[in-house]
Amino acid sequence: DSGVTQTPKHLITATGQRVTLRCSPRSGDLSVYWYQQSLDQGLQFLIQYYNGEERAKGNILERFSAQQFPDLHSELNLSSLELGDSALYFCASCGAPDTGELFFGEGSRLTVL
Amino acid sequence: SQQGEEDPQALSIQEGENATMNCSYKTSINNLQWYRQNSGRGLVHLILIRSNEREKHSGRLRVTLDTSKKSSSLLITASRAADTASYFCATDATTDSWGKLQFGAGTQVVVTP
Repeated sequence: DSGVTQTPKHLITATGQRVTLRCSPRSGDLSVYWYQQSLDQGLQFLIQYYNGEERAKGNILERFSAQQFPDLHSELNLSSLELGDSALYFCASCGAPDTGELFFGEGSRLTVL
Repeated sequence: SQQGEEDPQALSIQEGENATMNCSYKTSINNLQWYRQNSGRGLVHLILIRSNEREKHSGRLRVTLDTSKKSSSLLITASRAADTASYFCATDATTDSWGKLQFGAGTQVVVTP
């Protein structure tokens, strides 16, 4: 158990819909990272938040947005969903900034029909 | 796009044998990490090697890094059935935002009893 909690574990929805994925980092970790894992693109960094502020952005689509709340949990919002958005979405948190090691949650599997 | 390319894509060995997988990357890095993923589960951090290190050991794992060739290898000695998983290398090339990792496509390892 990494200590990172993600909900929901599975989500099935239709094209054009909007979903919200939730993540609680390990106790004490200030950083939250979102990654997407798909068959064709592999594992891709989406976005990072540190103590409520956006710190780094990766290959995140404009239809996707995220935020980190004062209690440090984070939400990833995916809108106008397309079939190609079907993927595993992982959240990770990091301990001390210079350790580099990420602790991943179990992921949220999104299926867009 | 993926920074790391792993070789082989798949590896099948018997318990007790050693498993070696390689990772090549394209740009300068601060560190390189290896993660394990059991089917459909979250990623688990195995080992991190910094750019100024050449070799690192952790239990049955041995990682080497050759920055001149932009390559790394992961050796798992005396493999067990429980080592069956996908193994990913990930590079961290940033100094201002740790944890923004670029992952390779992974090596799928199957260890048969």
